[in-house]
Amino acid sequence: AQSVTQPDIHITVSEGASLELRCNYSYGATPYLFWYVQSPGQGLQLLLKYFSGDTLVQGIKGFEAEFKRSQSSFNLRKPSVHWSDAAEYFCAVGARSGGYNKLIFGAGTRLAVHP
Amino acid sequence: NAGVTQTPKFQVLKTGQSMTLQCAQDMNHEYMSWYRQDPGMGLRLIHYSVGAGITDQGEVPNGYNVSRSTTEDFPLRLLSAAPSQTSVYFCASKLAGAPNIQYFGAGTRLSVL
Repeated sequence: AQSVTQPDIHITVSEGASLELRCNYSYGATPYLFWYVQSPGQGLQLLLKYFSGDTLVQGIKGFEAEFKRSQSSFNLRKPSVHWSDAAEYFCAVGARSGGYNKLIFGAGTRLAVHP
Repeated sequence: NAGVTQTPKFQVLKTGQSMTLQCAQDMNHEYMSWYRQDPGMGLRLIHYSVGAGITDQGEVPNGYNVSRSTTEDFPLRLLSAAPSQTSVYFCASKLAGAPNIQYFGAGTRLSVL
């Protein structure tokens, strides 16, 4: 069955520190992979996506993610976290379901940033 | 360009009441969908539509109805609300035939007492 696992429910980092959020997926074919961010009280904003090609993808707000097929992972990274990065982050895989390309989401990782 | 617009932003219902969550998009996207977000579970697909007049069930459709009379609108109806439907609901839209770049609305926070 298709699934997405985000092992860390909560992460706290200091402002200026580096960040890595983990994501593992289970999907039979070549996956389409996404990271979304949800700020408090807001909707979901697409940070970055992987469809094919270069396995290191760049996104908005200084985020990047690396697709590692051998590890079924798509971890999100940022070299220096800002206080405004405090939010919930969701990893998702695009999956075909009947006539529809749905998204399967992980449970999310809530990021807190200490000044 | 408004994108995906959801109304209302907040709603409190009593058990057994009915209501409709509205969703509209102005991007001429063929595909629209509804997700619910619950703590520790991410987002789960309720219903989706691949075009006007065509709808289908997602992972958690029970207790919800949808219709798609126009490309722009995709309302979600709760016929008899239950406390288990307390959640945050997101509407999303995307172009047909493309990988899943889905655009989300700001959400509706629903409490059923």
